[in-house]
Order: sequence, then structure tokens, then C-alpha cells
Amino acid sequence: AQSVAQPEDQVNVAEGNPLTVKCTYSVSGNPYLFWYVQYPNRGLQFLLKYITGDNLVKGSYGFEAEFNKSQTSFHLKKPSALVSDSALYFCAVRDDAGYGGSQGNLIFGKGTKLSVKP
Amino acid sequence: DTEVTQTPKHLVMGMTNKKSLKCEQHMGHRAMYWYKQKAKKPPELMFVYSYEKLSINESVPSRFSPECPNSSLLNLHLHALQPEDSALYLCASSQLGSADTQYFGPGTRLTVL
Repeated sequence: AQSVAQPEDQVNVAEGNPLTVKCTYSVSGNPYLFWYVQYPNRGLQFLLKYITGDNLVKGSYGFEAEFNKSQTSFHLKKPSALVSDSALYFCAVRDDAGYGGSQGNLIFGKGTKLSVKP
Repeated sequence: DTEVTQTPKHLVMGMTNKKSLKCEQHMGHRAMYWYKQKAKKPPELMFVYSYEKLSINESVPSRFSPECPNSSLLNLHLHALQPEDSALYLCASSQLGSADTQYFGPGTRLTVL
């Protein structure tokens, strides 16, 4: 069965420091991996995704993520955190088993709250 | 343009009311989704439409009734809801491939009294 784990409920970072939000996954086929950010009382905003190719994926607002197949991880990173990055971050996975049915659905992690202090 | 719009932004209803949530996208996406999200939790999939036909119903109670009038519109009809149905209801759309990104609307904050 597909699953996504975000081991940290909350990550605290000082502004200007690098940040990492962790994600590990389990799928039966090849993974398609996504990161979304959610600000309070807002919808989910797409940040970046990994499909195939280069293991380092660059996305919106200076975020990037590194796909590691051997560790089944897809950690979100940013070299220098901003206070405005404070939000709830969701990792999600789909596999290439095909669209439709539970195999084709987007599976979300539980979310990690990022808090960036000035 | 990756915009999905949802109306209303907020909705308060009694348990005997009938109301509808609306969602619209003009990206030419052929898949549309309804999710329910409780505070500080991930979204839970409710329904999926592909080519305007219901393809997935995740065992949602019949008091929630989805409708897809055309490829750009998605409705969620609500009737006889319970207080535990209070949540943020999110609409999303995408193309039909497994690698395609789902784009989410801002959500409707529903409160059932």
C-alpha cells in the first residue's frame, strides 16, 4: 500500500538559516512526489514535484527538494528561511500504477508545521 | 493560469438546511476532486470526476451529493449535515495522468450548527 511519512509535527528555524522538512514514502511502482504549502484558512499551494530525471527539483519561492531512491525520501529544503515561509507543509505521493481507483489517488503525509522566527 | 475558484468562502448552515458549494476551473483539466480537511490534518479525498463522470466515491455519506454539470464546473450539494461535517472543503483539478499536478482552490469553510 502507498504511504507517506512526515516524521516531524513541527520544525522551528531562525530566519536566514537553512530549513529542511522531511518526507519518506512507500509505493509499489515508481513514485511521483509532490510538495504543497498551506497558509492558514487557505487552500493547498503547489510548490514542486518529482517525476523522473534529476534528483534535485527546484520549485517556487526558492524551495527545492532532493529525491533519494535508496532512502525513499523526498526532503524539502530552502537555503535561507523567511518568516513568511511559516505555514503547514504537505508531502504527497502517487505511483505510476495508473489513474483511477485508490492506486491512482494522491496520498498525503500528515503535514509539518514550519515556524520561522525573526 | 492555475486558478481554481470556490464559492462561497464561508458557509454556516443548520442541520436541516440544503446548500451547495461551487468550484470552477478554466485550465482545461478533465479531472476534478472534492476533499474534506479538518484543522491541521491532511485533506481527505471524497469524490473524483473524470471526463465529467464520477469515478471515485470514497464511501462518503449520502448527505453529500456531487455534481459535475460540465468540464469546468463542480458542485457539492449538502443536505441534513451533522456538526462533525464542519470542515474546510477543498476543490482541486488536474489533467488525467498520474504525474499531473492537482491544483487546489482556496476552499469553503463550512460550519454546521
